[in-house]
Amino acid sequence: AQSVAQPEDQVNVAEGNPLTVKCTYSVSGNPYLFWYVQYPNRGLQFLLKYITGDNLVKGSYGFEAEFNKSQTSFHLKKPSALVSDSALYFCAVRDPGSSNTGKLIFGQGTTLQVKP
Amino acid sequence: DTEVTQTPKHLVMGMTNKKSLKCEQHMGHRAMYWYKQKAKKPPELMFVYSYEKLSINESVPSRFSPECPNSSLLNLHLHALQPEDSALYLCASSQGSWVYTGELFFGEGSRLTVL
Repeated sequence: AQSVAQPEDQVNVAEGNPLTVKCTYSVSGNPYLFWYVQYPNRGLQFLLKYITGDNLVKGSYGFEAEFNKSQTSFHLKKPSALVSDSALYFCAVRDPGSSNTGKLIFGQGTTLQVKP
Repeated sequence: DTEVTQTPKHLVMGMTNKKSLKCEQHMGHRAMYWYKQKAKKPPELMFVYSYEKLSINESVPSRFSPECPNSSLLNLHLHALQPEDSALYLCASSQGSWVYTGELFFGEGSRLTVL
């Protein structure tokens, strides 16, 4: 079965320090991977995606993610965290059974708390 | 700012009421989605419309009835809901040609409370 795991419910980091939010996946075929962020009482915002090509993907707000096929991981990273990065982060993979629609399989989410 | 607009932002309804949630996008996207999200949980897919036809119904109870009047609009009609249906309802859209972009564009959501 296709699945996405985010092993940490919460990640705490001090402002200015690097951050990593972990994601592993299990999907048949080549994965289409995504990160979304959700600020309180808001909808989800797309951060970045991996479809093919370079394993290091750069996205919005200074975030990047590294695709590692051997470890089936797609960890989200940022070199220097900001307090405003505090939010709920979701990793997602496209359901390979969906053809021309974007059915996503989401991880459980990781709350990022950046302290001043 | 989001380019997917949802109304109303908040809705309180009784279990016998009939109400509707509305969603609009003007990005020329041909796929539109309804998701349900409980607090601090991932969104759960409810329905997908592709080129104005219902392509996915994730076994949603019939008290939720989707409608796609045209490629820019998506409605969710609500009737005889239960308190456990209280949640944030998110609309999203994507290009019909999923292969080329892949990302979903979400609205801000409609927060529904069923009394």
